[in-house]
Amino acid sequence: AQSVAQPEDQVNVAEGNPLTVKCTYSVSGNPYLFWYVQYPNRGLQFLLKYITGDNLVKGSYGFEAEFNKSQTSFHLKKPSALVSDSALYFCAVRDTSINFGNEKLTFGTGTRLTIIP
Amino acid sequence: DVKVTQSSRYLVKRTGEKVFLECVQDMDHENMFWYRQDPGLGLRLIYFSYDVKMKEKGDIPEGYSVSREKKERFSLILESASTNQTSMYLCASSGARGQDYEQYFGPGTRLTVT
Repeated sequence: AQSVAQPEDQVNVAEGNPLTVKCTYSVSGNPYLFWYVQYPNRGLQFLLKYITGDNLVKGSYGFEAEFNKSQTSFHLKKPSALVSDSALYFCAVRDTSINFGNEKLTFGTGTRLTIIP
Repeated sequence: DVKVTQSSRYLVKRTGEKVFLECVQDMDHENMFWYRQDPGLGLRLIYFSYDVKMKEKGDIPEGYSVSREKKERFSLILESASTNQTSMYLCASSGARGQDYEQYFGPGTRLTVT
């Protein structure tokens, strides 16, 4: 079974400081990993994904994430936080070893990021 | 751009009513999904469909059914709504295997059952 853990419900960062939102995963085979962002009263918006290749993935709005296979982690990062980055962030995983129904994503419980002016 | 639309942003229904939530995507995606989102629980998969008239149970299918008669449309049905089905419902779609990997989400329907 595939699973995702986001260990922090809430992360507060001062504007201009670097930010990190943590995610760890568990799958049987190789993972596809995703980050989504949700603004208030909106659906989820895709940020970035890791499928294969470089462990450092760059996405929208200056975000990036690093895939670490040995630590089974995929932390979301940004060098300099903006107040507009305040939102709910979800990590998701898909297990590529599953042949049927492998389009399913398993989501974490979400991390609320607040950027303090 | 991919567009996923949901029939209502806000819905209020009474206990015992039959409720239909509609989702339409315009990118010819094969896969469609219904999730519910609750605080502290993240997104939980209710049902998904990988082809017309095909459906598979997700993690929490009890109390729900789905219908996919056309490729672009995926409906979620609450046969007899209950207060514990008050939630945000999100629809998503994704392309065929080997193509798009990410799921594209609609804006959500906030359902309140009284």
